[in-house]
Amino acid sequence: QVQLQESGPRLVKPSETLSLTCTVSGGSISSSGYYWAWIRQPPGKGLEWVGTISYTGTTYHTAPLKSRVSMSVDTSRNQFALKLSSMTAADTGVYYCARLRGGNNYLDYWGQGTLVTVSS
Amino acid sequence: EIVLTQSPGTLSLSPGERATLSCRAGQSVSSRHLAWYQQRPGQAPRLLIYGASNRATGIPDRFSGSGSGTDFTLTISRLDPEDFAVYYCQHDGAFGQGTKVEIK
Repeated sequence: QVQLQESGPRLVKPSETLSLTCTVSGGSISSSGYYWAWIRQPPGKGLEWVGTISYTGTTYHTAPLKSRVSMSVDTSRNQFALKLSSMTAADTGVYYCARLRGGNNYLDYWGQGTLVTVSS
Repeated sequence: EIVLTQSPGTLSLSPGERATLSCRAGQSVSSRHLAWYQQRPGQAPRLLIYGASNRATGIPDRFSGSGSGTDFTLTISRLDPEDFAVYYCQHDGAFGQGTKVEIK
């Protein structure tokens, strides 16, 4: 059973950079046919796609966040990471990591999510 | 980028009733890439349907998906108390805004 766990600071100051890590267990991050995604959800609102990365480091970002997002993968630790720069209050929300099944492009395993608050 | 519009925003039904949720894409999309998720309060989303009509592992058969082109539907044949939640459709890097199924 694949499991994902987000880790990182829960509180970030405005203008700072958020750094989150997702640790994958129960399966290899290098498995063929899978990609690794970040999704976020502002309080009381819907889901927003942040970006996707392959184990080789190929990335996809959604247009609104593209200039602020950086993603990386560490296959030796079975982890992938998200950096989101220039944080504002609008970036407050729950950040999820998830596994994307390539081909059909659906998210079959999700982390439990971590609430990130932007406040001074 | 594809825009997905879900309707209705809220569906008020009683346990045992049938729920029909709609997801409309701004342009024709591949049904292979259309998925549905359920999110209960305080929980991560859970995959229900992928490829527009394929149930994910462990999903009860009261959940079914259909559609093609721009119009897709998630149907819950008989609502169980645990089905009252928010449902999202997804195509590639886009989600619909969600439909809340609440107890009437």
